[in-house]
Amino acid sequence: DAGITQSPRYKITETGRQVTLMCHQTWSHSYMFWYRQDLGHGLRLIYYSAAADITDKGEVPDGYVVSRSKTENFPLTLESATRSQTSVYFCASRGGIYNEQFFGPGTRLTVL
Amino acid sequence: DAKTTQPPSMDCAEGRAANLPCNHSTISGNEYVYWYRQIHSQGPQYIIHGLKNNETNEMASLIITEDRKSSTLILPHATLRDTAVYYCIVRSSGAGSYQLTFGKGTKLSVIP
Repeated sequence: DAGITQSPRYKITETGRQVTLMCHQTWSHSYMFWYRQDLGHGLRLIYYSAAADITDKGEVPDGYVVSRSKTENFPLTLESATRSQTSVYFCASRGGIYNEQFFGPGTRLTVL
Repeated sequence: DAKTTQPPSMDCAEGRAANLPCNHSTISGNEYVYWYRQIHSQGPQYIIHGLKNNETNEMASLIITEDRKSSTLILPHATLRDTAVYYCIVRSSGAGSYQLTFGKGTKLSVIP
């Protein structure tokens, strides 16, 4: 299916565990992004990538690691999950004729 | 990027036009106004954007004042499915510009 997908859609984990959230897009867009959304904060940028093997920090990168070995995939890893990382995570890619961002359906992560 | 101000919530009767205002008094000459919306539990969705001229597409119209310090998103015939949080975002048009800064948006409730 064309578009941007995220997996898993829901995840419950425990403090200290490593968790990887997957993001896949079929458009070959160069730019990809990870946001988190918490009540009272709106969406905040965690990391972004301008192309394969090029990544950079956003507004709230602490506690997260990203990689981008292939253009279509942009996984986000929480190396040692904390309760404060309980959130909804959205992946996005940028493209189209207006360079708009296309968002995935989100992953709801709960850290116990 | 310039900051935006939006009312926290608005109601609109089904079938009527929904007019969502946004103030961006510090906008600079090369900054565009973008609108996205987020339907409950989904990822944000691009609606429309503009620089200084009014714009219209199949989803909405965007009216930007002559001094560009404010704009209005118009949904001409609101339906229940238009109930969502609407985000007004100002973003540079520069080649390296990539980031969308989401504020808290306006929660639009379309009433039957």
